[in-house]
Amino acid sequence: GESVGLHLPTLSVQEGDNSIINCAYSNSASDYFIWYKQESGKGPQFIIDIRSNMDKRQGQRVTVLLNKTVKHLSLQIAATQPGDSAVYFCAENTGGSARQLTFGSGTQLTVLP
Amino acid sequence: DSGVTQTPKHLITATGQRVTLRCSPRSGDLSVYWYQQSLDQGLQFLIQYYNGEERAKGNILERFSAQQFPDLHSELNLSSLELGDSALYFCASSPRGAASDTQYFGPGTRLTVL
Repeated sequence: GESVGLHLPTLSVQEGDNSIINCAYSNSASDYFIWYKQESGKGPQFIIDIRSNMDKRQGQRVTVLLNKTVKHLSLQIAATQPGDSAVYFCAENTGGSARQLTFGSGTQLTVLP
Repeated sequence: DSGVTQTPKHLITATGQRVTLRCSPRSGDLSVYWYQQSLDQGLQFLIQYYNGEERAKGNILERFSAQQFPDLHSELNLSSLELGDSALYFCASSPRGAASDTQYFGPGTRLTVL
């Protein structure tokens, strides 16, 4: 079946560097995508979202890029900080009557001092 | 803090038992979603309610049921519990329950079945 997946299960970056977390999706009908951050023992925390009529959206220190041609989503974190260490999930919503989110398997981001 | 609250935070019970998890959505949100997060399955959508009515169903077992009350809080009932039901259960809420609504998650309930 179709699903959202992440290219890398773990990512380690030096504090201050930029991080890029990637996500591949296979459902071409998906029209809404969200990145969540989950710290240990906590619920997923909304970071940023993007709709399919956009290819880039920026937030505070974060940027989401959407490439519909290759069905790829990425999250860029600028000047990564220790507090950014967490598991990052991408999620897609195919719209229509299907309102539930389909989550990827997650990427563990570790920020090294 | 997302504004979504869940109780209890932890729950330990035995196989065969029944438990109820509770969720209060963000103020003003009409839609509630339940998700299960286990180590081998990741985050899986279970069920969605909108303004008291069931809206969508995902991978929810027949032993599980949910409801949303007039005050919009929701309960997830898990019965005939099995060891494999041990997981984190999250509730999320959104304003309208539309596909393009952002879902905000609660802190979760950790269920351990012994």
